[in-house]
Amino acid sequence: GAGVSQSPSNKVTEKGKDVELRCDPISGHTALYWYRQSLGQGLEFLIYFQGNSAPDKSGLPSDRFSAERTGGSVSTLTIQRTQQEDSAVYLCASSQITSGGAKYFGAGTRLSVL
Amino acid sequence: QKEVEQNSGPLSVPEGAIASLNCTYSDRGSQSFFWYRQYSGKSPELIMSIYSNGDKEDGRFTAQLNKASQYVSLLIRDSQPSDSATYLCAVIGYGGATNKLIFGTGTLLAVQP
Repeated sequence: GAGVSQSPSNKVTEKGKDVELRCDPISGHTALYWYRQSLGQGLEFLIYFQGNSAPDKSGLPSDRFSAERTGGSVSTLTIQRTQQEDSAVYLCASSQITSGGAKYFGAGTRLSVL
Repeated sequence: QKEVEQNSGPLSVPEGAIASLNCTYSDRGSQSFFWYRQYSGKSPELIMSIYSNGDKEDGRFTAQLNKASQYVSLLIRDSQPSDSATYLCAVIGYGGATNKLIFGTGTLLAVQP
C-alpha cells in the first residue's frame, strides 16, 4: 500500500485479556516504530526495529508488552493481561532512512480496556 | 527535565497572522528535528524537517534551528483556520539509540477567523 497500515482500527477488550496489534509499514522502509498516545497526551516511544538489528525496547512500559517484526516487514505489538491504563491509541511509524530520517505514521489502533 | 519541551498552549492567533511555535530539547548532541501536525483524532503528519542551524522555508512554514541554544521553532505565515491543530516537535538524539524519535507534548494552535 501507499502508507503505513494498522489493524484493527479499534479494539475493545476486557481487563486481563491479551491483544495483538498489527502494523504493515511502507514497502521498502527498514525502520519501524511503535508509539502510544493517551488521551490529551504526547507520543510515548515504545519500541524501534531497524533491519535485522536487535530492537530498541527501552520504551516498553512493562514485561506485559512485546513486539515482533517478521521478515523485516509486518510488526505485531502484543499486550498480555491488559490493564485499564493500557487504554490509548497505539501508533506505528516507518522510515526509509535510518539516521535522521522522517517518520510516517499509520492511522493508529484505539485500544479500550474495560 | 523533559527531553523535548513545548508550551501546551492553546496559542490563539487571528487569521492571517504569523503563528510562532517553540520547542527546546535537552540532548545537546541531537542531530535531526521535525515538526508534525496532528488534528484531533488523527495521526501525526510530518510538516517539516530540519538538520542544520538556520532557517528552512516550505510554503507558509519556516522551521528555525539554533543548536547552541537547543531551540527549534516553527513559524506559520498567513495562518488559516485550517491550521488549527496540535503541533508536535520531535527530536532524534545522538547518543544511545540514535534513531529514537522523541516527541514533545505538543502545542495546541487555534486560528481565529
